[in-house]
Amino acid sequence: EADIYQTPRYLVIGTGKKITLECSQTMGHDKMYWYQQDPGMELHLIHYSYGVNSTEKGDLSSESTVSRIRTEHFPLTLESARPSHTSQYLCASSGGHSNQPQHFGDGTRLSIL
Amino acid sequence: GDSVTQMEGPVTLSEEAFLTINCTYTATGYPSLFWYVQYPGEGLQLLLKATKADDKGSNKGFEATYRKETTSFHLEKGSVQVSDSAVYFCVYSSASKIIFGSGTRLSIRP
Repeated sequence: EADIYQTPRYLVIGTGKKITLECSQTMGHDKMYWYQQDPGMELHLIHYSYGVNSTEKGDLSSESTVSRIRTEHFPLTLESARPSHTSQYLCASSGGHSNQPQHFGDGTRLSIL
Repeated sequence: GDSVTQMEGPVTLSEEAFLTINCTYTATGYPSLFWYVQYPGEGLQLLLKATKADDKGSNKGFEATYRKETTSFHLEKGSVQVSDSAVYFCVYSSASKIIFGSGTRLSIRP
């Protein structure tokens, strides 16, 4: 069963709209991540956070922004959506040590018309 | 630098066949290694892990051994089922980074 929740699961929306993808976890994890997954399956890290008020950009440049005001919540925002933002977005969290696995949500599939 | 190289797919096998998905890594330290599985329409789930050399991770009939001498963490299963059809990711985790392999799509024919 999922301890990390993403909403919405699917979103189809027009160009120029502001979008927020929600991610919440109930495990008390300090580390949280956002990945973009392309149709070829590969995952690209776009943002991560190691705790409240800490956010960093990942390996793949993204026009999205994130915030971490509460431990359990790590929303991702696109101020003005474009067709190039169409993708699958996966949120994950993990415990402190590098030997702890990541827990993933089921993802949000975003389509920008 | 650190990297993970994973066997390219797609891999198509018949039910009850033996499975190997190769994964090799380069590391400057002592990472933990993981295999994740992604079923259609879902996020990734941890399949198994190994945190030090010679550790063997196992779950649901899958196994992988952390081999430092060959810098490998190959995934194996003796007899695959149709329900094993999914995408498999090899992952390296160290104190400073997490690196995902490119994923291997596995399809099992009845």
